Amino acid sequence: GQNIDQPTEMTATEGAIVQINCTYQTSGFNGLFWYQQHAGEAPTFLSYNVLDGLEEKGRFSSFLSRSKGYSYLLLKELQMKDSASYLCAVMDSNYQLIWGAGTKLIIKP
Amino acid sequence: GAGVSQSPSNKVTEKGKDVELRCDPISGHTALYWYRQSLGQGLEFLIYFQGNSAPDKSGLPSDRFSAERTGGSVSTLTIQRTQQEDSAVYLCASSQRTSGGPDTQYFGPGTRLTVL
Repeated sequence: GQNIDQPTEMTATEGAIVQINCTYQTSGFNGLFWYQQHAGEAPTFLSYNVLDGLEEKGRFSSFLSRSKGYSYLLLKELQMKDSASYLCAVMDSNYQLIWGAGTKLIIKP
Repeated sequence: GAGVSQSPSNKVTEKGKDVELRCDPISGHTALYWYRQSLGQGLEFLIYFQGNSAPDKSGLPSDRFSAERTGGSVSTLTIQRTQQEDSAVYLCASSQRTSGGPDTQYFGPGTRLTVL
């Protein structure tokens, strides 16, 4: 079966750095997405990786290793507004997104 | 419009009643998705429309659920004889997906359905 694993919850301190990991086992691979979802709101797109390596976008970076079935989202200079759930999703061989359950990130002052 | 819109934003209904949820995708987006998200859970795929092709209904949980997309734009998700376990947020997303290649899904604000 297809499976996306990410931690259920993480806590970090304002101004610090946090890394949210995602491992996947899917039928084929056509890219990996990270979405941010604030409580009570819809998911919003953060990043997309299809090749191995690091993609940097401001305070957020996303890394992919296809051989290891592994990705991480790195958030730097954490702000209180970064408190949200972070969803990892993989596009399989049928170009359908398989979603992880999300990681709830709690930022403490 | 600028983004995906959904209506109603909230719907409270009694067990056994039928409900209709509406989604207006981003103009020009050929692909439209429906998802369900229960409290604290990830997204559960329901159905996918791509252009004029037959929809992928593989995620619909039962025959009480159906969806249509008229004119390649607006979509309606219908739940018949609602049950309490249908209570969830129903999210719609659209994308510019062409045949093959991956692209980004943009989500609407969702409809929170509560079945009493």
